[in-house]
Amino acid sequence: AQKITQTQPGMFVQEKEAVTLDCTYDTSDQSYGLFWYKQPSSGEMIFLIYQGSYDEQNATEGRYSLNFQKARKSANLVISASQLGDSAMYFCAMRESSNLRSSASKIIFGSGTRLSIRP
Amino acid sequence: NAGVTQTPKFQVLKTGQSMTLQCAQDMNHEYMSWYRQDPGMGLRLIHYSVGAGITDQGEVPNGYNVSRSTTEDFPLRLLSAAPSQTSVYFCASSYGVSTAEAFFGQGTRLTVV
Repeated sequence: AQKITQTQPGMFVQEKEAVTLDCTYDTSDQSYGLFWYKQPSSGEMIFLIYQGSYDEQNATEGRYSLNFQKARKSANLVISASQLGDSAMYFCAMRESSNLRSSASKIIFGSGTRLSIRP
Repeated sequence: NAGVTQTPKFQVLKTGQSMTLQCAQDMNHEYMSWYRQDPGMGLRLIHYSVGAGITDQGEVPNGYNVSRSTTEDFPLRLLSAAPSQTSVYFCASSYGVSTAEAFFGQGTRLTVV
């Protein structure tokens, strides 16, 4: 069964520093996708970045990058030059995708990491 | 630019009452899902659908029913509300490809007293 683990319930980081949010996953599927979402205090879910299991390069989107280590089954989110507006909950998520019409096509989420940026 | 629309935004129910949370998307997405988020926790999958007429159970389906008669709509029915169902409910939709991220509604905050 697929599973996402985020071991950092909360983190405090100084503004302008880089921060790494950990995510490990478990799946028996060879084909899967990994996602990161941000949830600010207002409650909406904001998509940040995607990494496919066959992608050879780590995904990047502006200040966000995904440190993908397939053998370790980890997909850590790196935020460079953190800003006060980065304070939020961050969720790692996964979709198994070898059969998109099957029950494995659902997206599951980790428990999240609350990131607080200090001025 | 409606995206995923959930109604209502807030709801208070008495124990034993039933109600339907509405979810509609206008992006022609095949996949739709319902999640619940309890305080300080991640999102847990309740039910999901990979297309009209097809639904399946997620991690926490007990006490909830769904149906998918159209591509656009995916209502979630609480059969007999219990205090344990107090939560924030999110509806999400996505295209049916592996790279597709899920788009979320704004959430429904439900309190069962």
